[in-house]
Amino acid sequence: GDSVTQMEGPVTLSEEAFLTINCTYTATGYPSLFWYVQYPGEGLQLLLKATKADDKGSNKGFEATYRKETTSFHLEKGSVQVSDSAVYFCALIPNTGNQFYFGTGTSLTVIP
Amino acid sequence: NAGVTQTPKFRVLKTGQSMTLLCAQDMNHEYMYWYRQDPGMGLRLIHYSVGEGTTAKGEVPDGYNVSRLKKQNFLLGLESAAPSQTSVYFCASSGPGGGQETQYFGPGTRLLVL
Repeated sequence: GDSVTQMEGPVTLSEEAFLTINCTYTATGYPSLFWYVQYPGEGLQLLLKATKADDKGSNKGFEATYRKETTSFHLEKGSVQVSDSAVYFCALIPNTGNQFYFGTGTSLTVIP
Repeated sequence: NAGVTQTPKFRVLKTGQSMTLLCAQDMNHEYMYWYRQDPGMGLRLIHYSVGEGTTAKGEVPDGYNVSRLKKQNFLLGLESAAPSQTSVYFCASSGPGGGQETQYFGPGTRLLVL
């Protein structure tokens, strides 16, 4: 069935470090892919998305490219800030379905 | 424009008690969802609705019931709470394109079942 696997955390980085959070997926057809972010005590917010192969989603300095050949959607940021500390979720929705599938989340802490 | 709101924010129940969680959205979205979030397991879909008067089961529906009597509201009920239902519950909505659209989440309801 459809599923998302993302790297386990927690991840701790120093401010201005480079961030990569790996995400791979299993799905039939051509799903849409998403990254959501959850700040402490809040609900999830959409960070970026990509709806077809080779699309790049970007927002707030974060980027992810939809790679169908490797079934991946890795999240990257060139220089993290303390304010980026949060839990990041990779998710997909099949092109023929109504249900989102979320990864288990990766906790990021950025220290000054 | 409040987006997605959830009531209550926090609740403590005893085993066997019942309660209803309320989700409301003011974005005229067709689709609404209930998830639970547990440590190490991410978000799991409980039930969802593709429109007023409709509901469908998600990944973990047992022990829960839902109703969508009005387009803007989606209720999640626990008839006889169990400790295994201790969790954080999130409601989400999407539209107008339906299931392929971005989901917008509420702030969550933290439930503790003793």
